[in-house]
Amino acid sequence: GQQVKQSSPSLTVQEGGISILNCDYENDMFDYFAWYKKYPDNSPTLLISVRSNVDKREDGRLTVFLNKSGKHFSLHITASQPEDTAVYLCAAGDYGNEKITFGAGTKLTIKP
Amino acid sequence: EAAVTQSPRNKVTVTGGNVTLSCRQTNSHNYMYWYRQDTGHGLRLIHYSYGAGNLQIGDVPDGYKATRTTQEDFFLLLELASPSQTSLYFCASSDTQGCQNTLYFGAGTRLSVL
Repeated sequence: GQQVKQSSPSLTVQEGGISILNCDYENDMFDYFAWYKKYPDNSPTLLISVRSNVDKREDGRLTVFLNKSGKHFSLHITASQPEDTAVYLCAAGDYGNEKITFGAGTKLTIKP
Repeated sequence: EAAVTQSPRNKVTVTGGNVTLSCRQTNSHNYMYWYRQDTGHGLRLIHYSYGAGNLQIGDVPDGYKATRTTQEDFFLLLELASPSQTSLYFCASSDTQGCQNTLYFGAGTRLSVL
């Protein structure tokens, strides 16, 4: 089964708005959660990550919220800009075995 | 910045063909991974390794073998390629020191099986 799920394949947000990307997971053992960004014809790069001992982490315009009881985490991008247009992949892992599992991705489009 | 180099960048083979994809990382990372990327599926883990001689099974291992010959080199082998293995393959490495587990990806290998 799909252990990490992004239910929205695409999202369109107006420039300057807040983009909210969501991810659900199944494995109770996951204790590492991350968001990667991927442009077409490029490889994924890490945006932000958290361990399970925090429920929120901010980095500039990016904030990750973690809801362990709901097995859900999200990425909020404030003041969205056209250069934020990309595919966003959520990922989760178990620090013990270092197996990192990705979601299917959400294509974010920022409209000027 | 971690350096992960994949070769070849593009490969075309026929059904039943034998293909080897290569990956080298030069940052002394312990872990290396092979993923495939397909539309609607994101990145799916094929195999991974935590050191030379070690191999761990991923989520979609059928039809693939892998071998980690050194800390730097991780190979993905398709011994009887099938059209369903047409995909974009990414190799990645990670350093598990501290609380981070950042994956550093190579540029990808696009494989077509005719």
